[in-house]
Amino acid sequence: DAGVIQSPRHEVTEMGQEVTLRCKPISGHDYLFWYRQTMMRGLELLIYFNNNVPIDDSGMPEDRFSAKMPNASFSTLKIQPSEPRDSAVYFCASSWGDEQYFGPGTRLTVT
Amino acid sequence: GNSVTQMEGPVTLSEEAFLTINCTYTATGYPSLFWYVQYPGEGLQLLLKATKADDKGSNKGFEATYRKETTSFHLEKGSVQVSDSAVYFCALSPWGNDMRFGAGTRLTVKP
Repeated sequence: DAGVIQSPRHEVTEMGQEVTLRCKPISGHDYLFWYRQTMMRGLELLIYFNNNVPIDDSGMPEDRFSAKMPNASFSTLKIQPSEPRDSAVYFCASSWGDEQYFGPGTRLTVT
Repeated sequence: GNSVTQMEGPVTLSEEAFLTINCTYTATGYPSLFWYVQYPGEGLQLLLKATKADDKGSNKGFEATYRKETTSFHLEKGSVQVSDSAVYFCALSPWGNDMRFGAGTRLTVKP
């Protein structure tokens, strides 16, 4: 298996622009997680899905963030409008059981 | 609530030194415990886990024992290598997919 796939790996955008991050989980996994990692706040869980249904989005910072999972093999995290404080590495992870498998992350820089 | 506390870094060791990274947890019930490792520029990878008291997880020369009496899950390795330089995260899962990560400990091993 190719593992969790994320795209793009790097994204640089200007403040106010819309950003869309993409994730393809491991086939057969029924949970999908979105995390954000920064030096100041460490690793934060933003939202997770079970069988494509959002279960807990209490970690989503504000209404500018939204996530969807239209099918079992694809999820997006969208930021609109983006702000410099959104600069971070965003990870997608998937699991079946209690072991989570992380993608390589998307490094987002908002200028 | 459910949480983990791990020793602050950074930790710097010489090659072949003994490694201990402390991790203690607070939990209701009987969580599973994990160590994840993050190499530069990559996502987190599961290093080892233990699912019940007195279990020992091990992988790549690393070990950790689930100690219920001291609520601890310390990571150890007898002889570290330069290639072990990474950030190590302790984590617990009180139920299947609710994973709580520690702040991470950066390890640097010098030749």
